[in-house]
Amino acid sequence: EAQVTQNPRYLITVTGKKLTVTCSQNMNHEYMSWYRQDPGLGLRQIYYSMNVEVTDKGDVPEGYKVSRKEKRNFPLILESPSPNQTSLYFCASSLTGQSNQPQHFGDGTRLSIL
Amino acid sequence: GDSVTQMEGPVTLSEEAFLTINCTYTATGYPSLFWYVQYPGEGLQLLLKATKADDKGSNKGFEATYRKETTSFHLEKGSVQVSDSAVYFCALSDMGTGNQFYFGTGTSLTVIP
Repeated sequence: EAQVTQNPRYLITVTGKKLTVTCSQNMNHEYMSWYRQDPGLGLRQIYYSMNVEVTDKGDVPEGYKVSRKEKRNFPLILESPSPNQTSLYFCASSLTGQSNQPQHFGDGTRLSIL
Repeated sequence: GDSVTQMEGPVTLSEEAFLTINCTYTATGYPSLFWYVQYPGEGLQLLLKATKADDKGSNKGFEATYRKETTSFHLEKGSVQVSDSAVYFCALSDMGTGNQFYFGTGTSLTVIP
């Protein structure tokens, strides 16, 4: 089954404790992206990647890191999480980075930073 | 910069009512436009898309027409069902801004029997 898989689905942690949210897709997609969803703000793009070893900042990259060492994986790293990073996070992928390509989304990761 | 402005909700309709959710956009290039739907506890799913002016996207009874002259992409459905209850997001992707995606704030729809 074609899918985007995120782990964990839920995480409660404390300020400053490094964490990684994994994202993997099995569709051989070139383009991958991370979003955060906050009430009243919709989805905002954090980082995206056009292909292996190519990453770019989205609208809200501060406090986040990403890497794209393999085509299928695009982990999101919070080196020193803070409470304002409490949010619902989505990973997405699309076949290419062309604007007419729709994105396929994972089921989301709910992070709570205390 | 690019942006999407979406009708605020929540919207509550009776079954079989007509639905319109307004969406307007600002873009520097030639964007593609999308509607996504999010059911509770799930990720977003593509509902429909349009890639150039005057294109009409349609799926599951929903329609939206890419209107360049009014920079709009309003979502419509002639007769909603309880199963259409979800959050709807308008979005754009613009090659002119480096392959970024921009989403509206989402509109929550509840359909009551």
